[in-house]
Amino acid sequence: GDSVTQMEGPVTLSEEAFLTINCTYTATGYPSLFWYVQYPGEGLQLLLKATKADDKGSNKGFEATYRKETTSFHLEKGSVQVSDSAVYFCALYIPDTGRRALTFGSGTRLQVQP
Amino acid sequence: EPEVTQTPSHQVTQMGQEVILRCVPISNHLYFYWYRQILGQKVEFLVSFYNNEISEKSEIFDDQFSVERPDGSNFTLKIRSTKLEDSAMYFCASFLAGAMGETQYFGPGTRLLVL
Repeated sequence: GDSVTQMEGPVTLSEEAFLTINCTYTATGYPSLFWYVQYPGEGLQLLLKATKADDKGSNKGFEATYRKETTSFHLEKGSVQVSDSAVYFCALYIPDTGRRALTFGSGTRLQVQP
Repeated sequence: EPEVTQTPSHQVTQMGQEVILRCVPISNHLYFYWYRQILGQKVEFLVSFYNNEISEKSEIFDDQFSVERPDGSNFTLKIRSTKLEDSAMYFCASFLAGAMGETQYFGPGTRLLVL
């Protein structure tokens, strides 16, 4: 079946540090890939997405590139802020299969210290 | 910007009681979902709903669960006889099909605590 694997957290960084959160996937078809963010006490918010190979999703300084050859969708940010502290979830779904449920990774908690 | 809303934000119930969680999806969306997140764990798919019927469900979604769209706006999840292990955050999501890479929009969640 489809699955998403994320690096375990927590990831603790100082403000302005470079962030990478690894995400790899296995899928039976050609997935669309997403990063969702969950701030403390809140629900899931879409951060960025990519729908085909070599697409780069970006939002709020975060970026992720859809790498089909390595089945990866790593999240990066050049300079993190304290306000980026949250749990980040990588997710996928397979269009055109009738199965539209998202498959999530286990989440990676990011803690940014001033 | 349109958003998915959920009520209540928190619910505490006794084991064996019935609970109904409510969601109002984005108005022109056609697919509706329930997911749950047990504390500290990953978000898990429960059920999807399209054209007034369940289109897919996970093995978690057993006979204790049911969903309904009682009117043109609400989408509900009912748990008939709650168990301790039903304690979790329940998220509703919706999206509008038809384009590549459709985005599911999530509500803020209902935190359910079963005592």
